[in-house]
Amino acid sequence: NAGVTQTPKFQVLKTGQSMTLQCAQDMNHEYMSWYRQDPGMGLRLIHYSVGAGITDQGEVPNGYNVSRSTTEDFPLRLLSAAPSQTSVYFCASRGNSNQPQHFGDGTRLSIL
Amino acid sequence: KNQVEQSPQSLIILEGKNCTLQCNYTVSPFSNLRWYKQDTGRGPVSLTIMTFSENTKSNGRYTATLDADTKQSSLHITASQLSDSASYICVVTARTGGFKTIFGAGTRLFVKA
Repeated sequence: NAGVTQTPKFQVLKTGQSMTLQCAQDMNHEYMSWYRQDPGMGLRLIHYSVGAGITDQGEVPNGYNVSRSTTEDFPLRLLSAAPSQTSVYFCASRGNSNQPQHFGDGTRLSIL
Repeated sequence: KNQVEQSPQSLIILEGKNCTLQCNYTVSPFSNLRWYKQDTGRGPVSLTIMTFSENTKSNGRYTATLDADTKQSSLHITASQLSDSASYICVVTARTGGFKTIFGAGTRLFVKA
């Protein structure tokens, strides 16, 4: 019963590098989202998708891109990493709006 | 501005004791309120959900209450266990054009033996 799987679990980047955080879910959920979690703050929405081929910006989208070519996968791309993007990133999915979100275990990202 | 405020920021209790965590929100128009538990190094996991018409919901030793008039919610943990040590996050969803979800910063609970 995998749920939401995120890879990698940890990553260290240098300023200016790019990378992709992977997220996959096996629950056939239409809605998927990416959040960042910073100390002392609530989770903030980066990008979300309501189905394959559809993506939209959340609260803090700058510096990040997403795509949704399949129902299962929702990768998050950092275009040119900056120290301000040091954070823990969570991917989540859910069915309809009355259902809870299922979260992955996060990717801990440090930008030097 | 839609906000969710949680108190206290952190709490230390002895195993077996009860505790209550608070959540105040200014989210409007209100759709639902959830409490999540987040263990260290893991993603949040849903504990309860309450809509406007519900004022209490239980999940084992966890009981959530909601006062939609004062826009306050509480999470009561009964007979705490060491495994209750975690962050507890209050999440409120607003019924806007779509649905907007606002997360509180969480209360960090430490249960000591």
